[in-house]
Amino acid sequence: DTEVTQTPKHLVMGMTNKKSLKCEQHMGHRAMYWYKQKAKKPPELMFVYSYEKLSINESVPSRFSPECPNSSLLNLHLHALQPEDSALYLCASSQDFNRARTYTFGSGTRLTVV
Amino acid sequence: AQTVTQSQPEMSVQEAETVTLSCTYDTSESDYYLFWYKQPPSRQMILVIRQEAYKQQNATENRFSVNFQKAAKSFSLKISDSQLGDAAMYFCAYRTVYGGATNKLIFGTGTLLAVQP
Repeated sequence: DTEVTQTPKHLVMGMTNKKSLKCEQHMGHRAMYWYKQKAKKPPELMFVYSYEKLSINESVPSRFSPECPNSSLLNLHLHALQPEDSALYLCASSQDFNRARTYTFGSGTRLTVV
Repeated sequence: AQTVTQSQPEMSVQEAETVTLSCTYDTSESDYYLFWYKQPPSRQMILVIRQEAYKQQNATENRFSVNFQKAAKSFSLKISDSQLGDAAMYFCAYRTVYGGATNKLIFGTGTLLAVQP
């Protein structure tokens, strides 16, 4: 298995809702990443988990809450989002954080906040 | 801080022709990785090619090749025999080989490639 699987593919949520995005990989990678991508822009790093510990938080608002229950699974919990949070959320993984020579990306979750 | 610049927001190429996408970067480091990623409408970021800065030989992957000019800090992507499936957004990216908080992918702004039949 050489894929990063993200669910759901599309999500529409109200500003008072609570929802979660899920990312899964079975390549034995020990680093996992969340990115936010606006249309026709490059991805922006949000969080990095290395060996299931949060290594980097790029000053992301607390309405985004990451979780790494095990080495294969990464969640992003969403609460009280704003319309400007509408974007494509990409998950990625690499074998190791410090020595990553390649990254595998998922197909993303298209989030719309109404 | 490292930066990556893609000066061509959009490019167009005829099917079967060759196109070159430009990328320049700025860094004070001597060792690093450079990447070209492709993002088609399916949204998944797909690694096209990777170059390790300590290697002088330009990387190639089938129809894709790079022209890596370390002194000029230039890393262009050449696509030969362009196919309709090559139409996508292409991102150039940089990553240090050293560990620490700066060890992350730095993306350029992207080049949207259209392939004309």
